Amino acid sequence: DGGITQSPKYLFRKEGQNVTLSCEQNLNHDAMYWYRQDPGQGLRLIYYSQIVNDFQKGDIAEGYSVSREKKESFPLTVTSAQKNPTAFYLCASSITGGSGELFFGEGSRLTVL
Amino acid sequence: QKEVEQDPGPLSVPEGAIVSLNCTYSNSAFQYFMWYRQYSRKGPELLMYTYSSGNKEDGRFTAQVDKSSKYISLFIRDSQPSDSATYLCAPNFGNEKLTFGTGTRLTIIP
Repeated sequence: DGGITQSPKYLFRKEGQNVTLSCEQNLNHDAMYWYRQDPGQGLRLIYYSQIVNDFQKGDIAEGYSVSREKKESFPLTVTSAQKNPTAFYLCASSITGGSGELFFGEGSRLTVL
Repeated sequence: QKEVEQDPGPLSVPEGAIVSLNCTYSNSAFQYFMWYRQYSRKGPELLMYTYSSGNKEDGRFTAQVDKSSKYISLFIRDSQPSDSATYLCAPNFGNEKLTFGTGTRLTIIP
């Protein structure tokens, strides 16, 4: 079945550690996105990529990094510079053009201890 | 002013009631008006969308856009417990870089 796979579903991290969240899609979509979701704040865009080897900062990129070496993969690293990393992270993909429909993964919940 | 404003709720209604969920937005250039549904601990999924002004119906769901007042609504008729979820509005230009409302958490009470 086509879709987006995020891993791990739950992740615990000590302060000062970097962690990488995985996102893989087999929908053959060109564009991929990372959103962060916090209670009462909705979804906020961290990074997005519309083509391999290229990506742009979203609204809250500070403390995060990404890479897009393959069309299918868009991993997100939460660095120790991110002040409040505890959140629910959502990866999404879309075709380019059209209505802008996003297809989301099931999310990764990161908790910093 | 936020680009998209949405009442976060929570909203609880009895089964069978008509539900009205609303958003306002500030950018008059938005052309696509999307509604996503998100079940607890899951990713959002597209419920329906409209292009420009007007209404669109899909089963028990009706999406309505009033561009003159920058107001978008989602109506759910004959609400069911399975409709309990968070509903997110997302007006956009059609370039995939969506701006989401905060989401309204809805509970349908059996």
